[in-house]
Amino acid sequence: DGGITQSPKYLFRKEGQNVTLSCEQNLNHDAMYWYRQDPGQGLRLIYYSQIVNDFQKGDIAEGYSVSREKKESFPLTVTSAQKNPTAFYLCASSIANGLSWGLDTQYFGPGTRLTVL
Amino acid sequence: QKEVEQNSGPLSVPEGAIASLNCTYSDRGSQSFFWYRQYSGKSPELIMFIYSNGDKEDGRFTAQLNKASQYVSLLIRDSQPSDSATYLCAVQGGSEKLVFGKGMKLTVNP
Repeated sequence: DGGITQSPKYLFRKEGQNVTLSCEQNLNHDAMYWYRQDPGQGLRLIYYSQIVNDFQKGDIAEGYSVSREKKESFPLTVTSAQKNPTAFYLCASSIANGLSWGLDTQYFGPGTRLTVL
Repeated sequence: QKEVEQNSGPLSVPEGAIASLNCTYSDRGSQSFFWYRQYSGKSPELIMFIYSNGDKEDGRFTAQLNKASQYVSLLIRDSQPSDSATYLCAVQGGSEKLVFGKGMKLTVNP
């Protein structure tokens, strides 16, 4: 069964805690992305990675950290520095083979809903 | 700041009608255009993508692109209640990141 998995589906965080959201893909995609979605808002890019051991900040990276040690995995840590972390977090991946970067299509995982208590 | 604008909606149409969803973008160098459907509480799923000016049809869905006017639209023919969802327009240029609009909520009334 090919696809993108995210876990957990729901996550509750106490103030001051760091939490890590998992994202795994078995599509053999090179690029992976993390987005945040707030009610009534579009998706905002947090971090993205085009290759193992390399990643770039998106538009709203403050208070978040990522790693890309394996092609299949791109975990996101929401740190205590993120002041308003309650949101729906979406992981995506794309082929990004470098031949047609501008023609790339992103596919999304099921998402993790994070709530701060 | 590259922007993607969608009508705020919501849009309500009767079952069987044509639903028209519109999107404008600010970056004239944009090359790739995507429409995603998002059901409440779920993640976005790709409906269509379009790269060239003109129309692209896939079943009941037609994407229309006009690069001169920086305008992309999605038409849904014979709308069904199962089409009720939020539709997200996304635009990408060259090696740039994907930029999403805020989405438009569509309700198809039986």
